[in-house]
Amino acid sequence: KAGVTQTPRYLIKTRGQQVTLSCSPISGHRSVSWYQQTPGQGLQFLFEYFSETQRNKGNFPGRFSGRQFSNSRSEMNVSTLELGDSALYLCASYRDTDTQYFGPGTRLTVL
Amino acid sequence: GENVEQHPSTLSVQEGDSAVIKCTYSDSASNYFPWYKQELGKRPQLIIDIRSNVGEKKDQRIAVTLNKTAKHFSLHITETQPEDSAVYFCAASTISGGFKTIFGAGTRLFVKA
Repeated sequence: KAGVTQTPRYLIKTRGQQVTLSCSPISGHRSVSWYQQTPGQGLQFLFEYFSETQRNKGNFPGRFSGRQFSNSRSEMNVSTLELGDSALYLCASYRDTDTQYFGPGTRLTVL
Repeated sequence: GENVEQHPSTLSVQEGDSAVIKCTYSDSASNYFPWYKQELGKRPQLIIDIRSNVGEKKDQRIAVTLNKTAKHFSLHITETQPEDSAVYFCAASTISGGFKTIFGAGTRLFVKA
């Protein structure tokens, strides 16, 4: 069974731009969570989606948004990028059980 | 808000020794506690987990203990090997109307050969 995939793997943007990241969960997994990983802040929860609905949200500004499609694929969007948004963005998928399987991440660099 | 504190931030042990990492969580509704290992440049991988109705769980050289009263859980690695060197994250998840996971800041473990 294929694992969680994320595209793109690397991205360079400039301040003020917006970016969209994509996550394809493991087949059969209907839940996707997104995390931001930085050296200083560790792994921080962004949001969780299940069956196209956002169920939980972390403490991030409204510039961070996401959605989930009917095939469980998920996207997250960051508008008006700031230097501090540079991070590794990880998504994780899971079925109805608790084990989250992480994707390889998208490394975003904001210049 | 919810918080998970993890100690120590760095741990260096000699090969064959034991390593212990401790975490404390704040949300009393947390009921699932996974531990992840992340090697440099790789994604976090689940190594062991424990649920709130269990006090201890063991898998070969790895064990986790949970004290719900104290809101405290720990990871124990025995007979450490150089390949155990990585960053370890504890997490506390609340499974109620969704699934929300708060991670600790991580512990960088060095196992010296």
